[in-house]
Amino acid sequence: QVQLKESGPGLVAPSQSLSITCTVSGFSLTSYDISWIRQPPGKGLEWLGVIWTGGGTNYNSAFMSRLSISKDNSKSQVFLKMNSLQTDDTAIYYCVRDDGITTGAMDYWGQGTSVTVSS
Amino acid sequence: DIQMTQSPASLSASVGETVTITCRASENIYSYLAWYQQKQGKSPQLLVYNAKTLAEGVPSRFSGSGSGTQFSLKINSLQPEDFGSYYCQHHYGTPFTFGSGTKLEIK
Repeated sequence: QVQLKESGPGLVAPSQSLSITCTVSGFSLTSYDISWIRQPPGKGLEWLGVIWTGGGTNYNSAFMSRLSISKDNSKSQVFLKMNSLQTDDTAIYYCVRDDGITTGAMDYWGQGTSVTVSS
Repeated sequence: DIQMTQSPASLSASVGETVTITCRASENIYSYLAWYQQKQGKSPQLLVYNAKTLAEGVPSRFSGSGSGTQFSLKINSLQPEDFGSYYCQHHYGTPFTFGSGTKLEIK
């Protein structure tokens, strides 16, 4: 079955960088796009960016200068890297399958990984 | 960027009632609108895509409507498992903006 699972550091110090890996199963990264979405505690959902099947990316302009998304199709892994973290980057980070062909929407979500930015 | 304005921010209703949540896009997004449900402590789940098509396994008491800039999600005969938060999101080009969410609580 389709699964996405994020793994991250949990705690990041202010001004440091964040790296999260999303490992997928049940589908190929050459067939589906992957978006990253975050949710600060008690707040709504915020789209960060997408990596397309062909490897191209698009980012939320608010994060463009410090966000990078990449992937390794052979390992079924997608990577998020965000630099210069501040306390307001504390959030749950989700990787999400983006079904651009059938639904055009985000049909499978990972469980999310909680990231706290604190010294 | 396309902005999504969702209302109400919160809603209190009883089991068996019918509720409607609305979402307005800042420009024409045709029918490229999805709705998600999120229960406390869980990941969001896709409910509706292309404004009115129910995702697999979604009960028929949910319905989506609208096109262009005005959309709504209607839930008939609320069930206990329907309480949680709901988000709209456009999928008409990046950035894929979400609405601010509606928290549906039990009265």
